[in-house]
Amino acid sequence: GDSVTQMEGPVTLSEEAFLTINCTYTATGYPSLFWYVQYPGEGLQLLLKATKADDKGSNKGFEATYRKETTSFHLEKGSVQVSDSAVYFCALSDLAGTALIFGKGTTLSVSS
Amino acid sequence: DADVTQTPRNRITKTGKRIMLECSQTKGHDRMYWYRQDPGLGLRLIYYSFDVKDINKGEISDGYSVSRQAQAKFSLSLESAIPNQTALYFCATSDRGASTDTQYFGPGTRLTVL
Repeated sequence: GDSVTQMEGPVTLSEEAFLTINCTYTATGYPSLFWYVQYPGEGLQLLLKATKADDKGSNKGFEATYRKETTSFHLEKGSVQVSDSAVYFCALSDLAGTALIFGKGTTLSVSS
Repeated sequence: DADVTQTPRNRITKTGKRIMLECSQTKGHDRMYWYRQDPGLGLRLIYYSFDVKDINKGEISDGYSVSRQAQAKFSLSLESAIPNQTALYFCATSDRGASTDTQYFGPGTRLTVL
């Protein structure tokens, strides 16, 4: 079945460092891909999305490109801030459009 | 005001008790979902509903039931709670008419079963 694999955390960075969180997927067809973020004590918020191959989603300085050839959707940010500390989830929509399939989440901790 | 609300936000209960978690939304979306989050496991789908008369089981529905009382309300029940149902529960909504399946999440309910 469809699945999402994310790099395990926690990821610990200093402020202004470059961030990459790897995400690869297995799916039938060409699903939409998402990154969600969960700040401490809150629900999940959509960070960015891409709906077809080579699409780039971007928001708040974060970017991810839908790579069909490598079945990947890696999250990047050029300069992280303390306020980016959160749990990041990669997800895909299943073929039937039933629901989202999530990765296990990657915890990011940014120190000043 | 929040578009997706969940009550209660925190609940501690005992094994064998019946518990209901409630979700309401003001986004006007057709589709509603219940997920549970466990550390290191991500989010897993419990039930979903595409409209008031449509209820479907998700990946981990055993031990749970749901009720879609109206388009805006979707409740999750644990008929007889057990300790391994201790988790963070999230409700989510999405719009059938949208071009992508973006889901919008409530703030979560932290349930502890003793």
